Amino acid sequence: EVQLVESGGGLVQPGGSLRLSCAASGFTFSSYEMNWVRQAPGKGLEWLSYISGRGGTIYYADSVKGRFTISRDNAKKSLYLQMYSLKVEDTAVYYCARDLRGPNDFWGQGTLVTVSS
Amino acid sequence: SSELTQDPAVSVALGQTVRITCQGNSLRNYYASWYQQRPGQAPILVIYGETNRPSGIPDRFSGSSSGNTASLTITGAQAEDEADYYCNSRDSSGNRVVFGGGTKLTVL
Repeated sequence: EVQLVESGGGLVQPGGSLRLSCAASGFTFSSYEMNWVRQAPGKGLEWLSYISGRGGTIYYADSVKGRFTISRDNAKKSLYLQMYSLKVEDTAVYYCARDLRGPNDFWGQGTLVTVSS
Repeated sequence: SSELTQDPAVSVALGQTVRITCQGNSLRNYYASWYQQRPGQAPILVIYGETNRPSGIPDRFSGSSSGNTASLTITGAQAEDEADYYCNSRDSSGNRVVFGGGTKLTVL
């Protein structure tokens, strides 16, 4: 069974940092491109970042470029999102997603990040 | 950058057909995908590559496109189809993904 399980969310103060993880199982992790997508409370979906299967190609949304860093460890079947300089408007549920827009598209259940003083 | 525009809300009578649209210039160059999101759940892909259904998605869901507008059609809407629907595509660079604002579908 394919599974993506996000973790690492929580309450953080503005200006703080947080590292999200996404643990994959049930498929050959290294064969798939991965993405992070977030959803602010009551709002729509926002794509954040992409990483290729081997990690050699990375893209970011303008809203997080320079503050967030995507990475992966294929040996550990894990995807990461390191977030710095967090703002109140970064408050959202953060999803990892496999093969976004493709036939094997699959999302985790998300982890909530709350940025508040 | 690119924007995708969706109607905020649409309603359909049970068993009837509904079309949800997504407009944006990037749709002239890149296929749309469509997601269904029920409350408290992660999004599920229902259409990819403009017209393709992933395995397990009922055939009452179909996708189409014309010019700068992509459409998701549900033929014979069921109560369980009540959800938020999001389109997505790529921006002008082709490297970034953009989502529409979402359409809340109510099945009456």
